[in-house]
Amino acid sequence: EVQLVESGGGLVQAGGSLRLSCAASGFTFSSYAMSWVRQAPGKGLEWVSGISGSGGSTYYADSVKGRFTISRDKSKNTLYLQMNSLRAEDTAVYYCAKDRRLGEVPTATFDYWGQGTLVTVSS
Amino acid sequence: QSALTQPASVSGSPGQSITISCTGTSSDVGSYNLVSWYQHYPGKAPKLMIYEVSKRPSGVSNRFSGSKSGNTASLTISGLQAEDEADYYCCSYAGSSTSFGGGTKLTVL
Repeated sequence: EVQLVESGGGLVQAGGSLRLSCAASGFTFSSYAMSWVRQAPGKGLEWVSGISGSGGSTYYADSVKGRFTISRDKSKNTLYLQMNSLRAEDTAVYYCAKDRRLGEVPTATFDYWGQGTLVTVSS
Repeated sequence: QSALTQPASVSGSPGQSITISCTGTSSDVGSYNLVSWYQHYPGKAPKLMIYEVSKRPSGVSNRFSGSKSGNTASLTISGLQAEDEADYYCCSYAGSSTSFGGGTKLTVL
């Protein structure tokens, strides 16, 4: 059974940093691209960042480029999101999501999602 | 990286059919058959309902169907049921990024 479990959320002051983790199980982690998607309070889903299966290619939304870094550790079956220079508008529930298609390249199709972790940035 | 455009809300009575549109551009919806739809209940993880424009994952009811014409994709739900009341999001591959729609709240009257 595929499971994605996020952790690392919490309350942080504006300008601060936080690192989110997503522990994956039930599938061959390095064979699938992964992404982070967030939902701000009362807002819709927003794609934040994606990473290829090997970790060699990374992708970012303009809203987080230069501040967030996505990475993955094959040995730990874990996806990460390092968030620096946090802003109030980064307040959201952050989900990790698995790409549906087997392969290196993200296809923006997510067949499994975690339950999310809440990040609150106070100004 | 612009969000795809969806109606904020749609409604229908049990047994009826509804369609949710999702309008993008020639850089996303219009260029790739990588449009997906998600059902989202508040506080829960989103669920994949349609992928690659019109394909249904195993376990998803055949009451859900998808299509695309030009820069606009659509999700149709037939035989509406009370449990279909949720938020629905479209999503499209856009080259080196991914775009979601703003979401549509479906109310079953």
